[in-house]
Amino acid sequence: SQELEQSPQSLIVQEGKNLTINCTSSKTLYGLYWYKQKYGEGLIFLMMLQKGGEEKSHEKITAKLDEKKQQSSLHITASQPSHAGIYLCGADIRGGTSYGKLTFGQGTILTVHP
Amino acid sequence: SQTIHQWPATLVQPVGSPLSLECTVEGTSNPNLYWYRQAAGRGLQLLFYSVGIGQISSEVPQNLSASRPQDRQFILSSKKLLLSDSGFYLCAWRGSPIGETQYFGPGTRLLVL
Repeated sequence: SQELEQSPQSLIVQEGKNLTINCTSSKTLYGLYWYKQKYGEGLIFLMMLQKGGEEKSHEKITAKLDEKKQQSSLHITASQPSHAGIYLCGADIRGGTSYGKLTFGQGTILTVHP
Repeated sequence: SQTIHQWPATLVQPVGSPLSLECTVEGTSNPNLYWYRQAAGRGLQLLFYSVGIGQISSEVPQNLSASRPQDRQFILSSKKLLLSDSGFYLCAWRGSPIGETQYFGPGTRLLVL
């Protein structure tokens, strides 16, 4: 089974709708990173969360890390076609001397219809 | 500001041929460097990481190898490519302190025929 589970695997929404993507781990998340990727391109860093209960926002995207540090959610408000792409969560689930090695979820493909 | 480069952008190679993918970082010193592979456009799998020149750690057994001949240069190689080596290869860097964000390059798409 995956160490990091993302849900849903794909999402189709109408422009203007809100949506949420979840990232769940059975292990403690020492650092949780959200990235966005356009097909065939590199990953664009969105946000990093480290503390339990932490919440960060950038434009219309908000990410939260739960108090137990085992689940994160990414919420997009009033989605736009420019939000379309693959959203990936990556996490340091080893802590300590992990040298920043990240484990990734399988990604969520977001389609936004105009 | 920091920049990460990868080349080539796309590569088509026959089975059994050698491989060399290059990654370079600008604007930082002594970064941690990483090679990931992404199959079928989904999740990433960590292949190698390096915390310094000549220091390489492998995460999964495979047909590939990595080298770090210079502080900001990371190379992914193979002596003989397999069909299963096809994929999208991403290089990433991170500053040394714990908690630093990991930044990714544009990637190399490799197709082995």
